[in-house]
Amino acid sequence: EAGVAQSPRYKIIEKRQSVAFWCNPISGHATLYWYQQILGQGPKLLIQFQNNGVVDDSQLPKDRFSAERLKGVDSTLKIQPAKLEDSAVYLCASSLGWGRAASTDTQYFGPGTRLTVL
Amino acid sequence: AQTVTQSQPEMSVQEAETVTLSCTYDTSESDYYLFWYKQPPSRQMILVIRQEAYKQQNATENRFSVNFQKAAKSFSLKISDSQLGDAAMYFCAYRSTGNQFYFGTGTSLTVIP
Repeated sequence: EAGVAQSPRYKIIEKRQSVAFWCNPISGHATLYWYQQILGQGPKLLIQFQNNGVVDDSQLPKDRFSAERLKGVDSTLKIQPAKLEDSAVYLCASSLGWGRAASTDTQYFGPGTRLTVL
Repeated sequence: AQTVTQSQPEMSVQEAETVTLSCTYDTSESDYYLFWYKQPPSRQMILVIRQEAYKQQNATENRFSVNFQKAAKSFSLKISDSQLGDAAMYFCAYRSTGNQFYFGTGTSLTVIP
């Protein structure tokens, strides 16, 4: 079974530029998550999709971050414009279930995209 | 919002010995889920063990077990017979019934040969 794929693995940009990350979850997984992991901290959930609908985006800085999950499969996370404090690893994860069943589901994480904002 | 606290930034253990990683959390919910995740240097996070708050029995997965104290809001991870491959960052995580997810700041575990 293929795992969660993310690209690019590394990205370096100047502040105020835009950047986009892509995630391909495990086939058949209904729930998809985007996390931001700043160095030395635990992951922070930015947004959660179930199929192509947003379940929770309470910690997403909506003035600069946006995300979509087209057709309930792949997802993109965009930052526009980037700030220095956005430097982090962006993790994508997916899980099989949805709704209450997703609560105990195993989340499978991708390798992450390391973003450096100069 | 719920908070998850891991008070041990770093821990070390001799190979084949036992180590316990601490985690406490703050919540007003009665039904929730707790997890321990492992993040090796390659950075791909993997699930170690999970616990449903309504279950009193502590979860066990091979050499990994938890001590879940609901009243104390404590969820520690015990690793028995530590192996070199156990070296990683370990994150405690809380999931609410509303499917919101919170991670602690992690504990870096070193296994000494």
